[in-house]
Amino acid sequence: GDSVTQMEGPVTLSEEAFLTINCTYTATGYPSLFWYVQYPGEGLQLLLKATKADDKGSNKGFEATYRKETTSFHLEKGSVQVSDSAVYFCALVFSGGYNKLIFGAGTRLAVHP
Amino acid sequence: DVKVTQSSRYLVKRTGEKVFLECVQDMDHENMFWYRQDPGLGLRLIYFSYDVKMKEKGDIPEGYSVSREKKERFSLILESASTNQTSMYLCASSFGQGFGYGYTFGSGTRLTVV
Repeated sequence: GDSVTQMEGPVTLSEEAFLTINCTYTATGYPSLFWYVQYPGEGLQLLLKATKADDKGSNKGFEATYRKETTSFHLEKGSVQVSDSAVYFCALVFSGGYNKLIFGAGTRLAVHP
Repeated sequence: DVKVTQSSRYLVKRTGEKVFLECVQDMDHENMFWYRQDPGLGLRLIYFSYDVKMKEKGDIPEGYSVSREKKERFSLILESASTNQTSMYLCASSFGQGFGYGYTFGSGTRLTVV
């Protein structure tokens, strides 16, 4: 079945470091891919998305490119801030039927000054 | 600003109680979802609904039921709460069918069953 695999956390970085959070997926057909972010004590917010191969989603300095050949959607940011500390979830839309997102396990990011 | 509102942020209930978690969205979305979130397990889908009075089981429906009498409201019911249902519960909604549409999430309800 469809699934999403994320790198395990926590990821701990110093402010202004480069961030990569790996995400790979298994799916029938060509799903849309998403990154969600969850700040402490809050629900999930959509961070960025890509709907087809080679699309690049971007928002708030974060980027991710939909790579069909490697079935990946890695999240990157060139210079992280303390305020980026959160849990990041990679997700894909169920390939058939109704609109049902499948999530990875989440990766916690901690950024220190 | 569009919203998904969950009625309680924190809830403490006793074992065996019947518990209602309420979720309301103001975006006229067709689809609504209930997830639970546990450390190390990520988000797991409990139930979802793609229309009024329609419901589908997710990955972990045991011990739960749902109700959707109106388009904007989706309720999760714990028939007889147990300690293993202590968790963060997240409601979400989405528009239409097919690809490309993300979810809008509520802020979550942290339920503790004692």
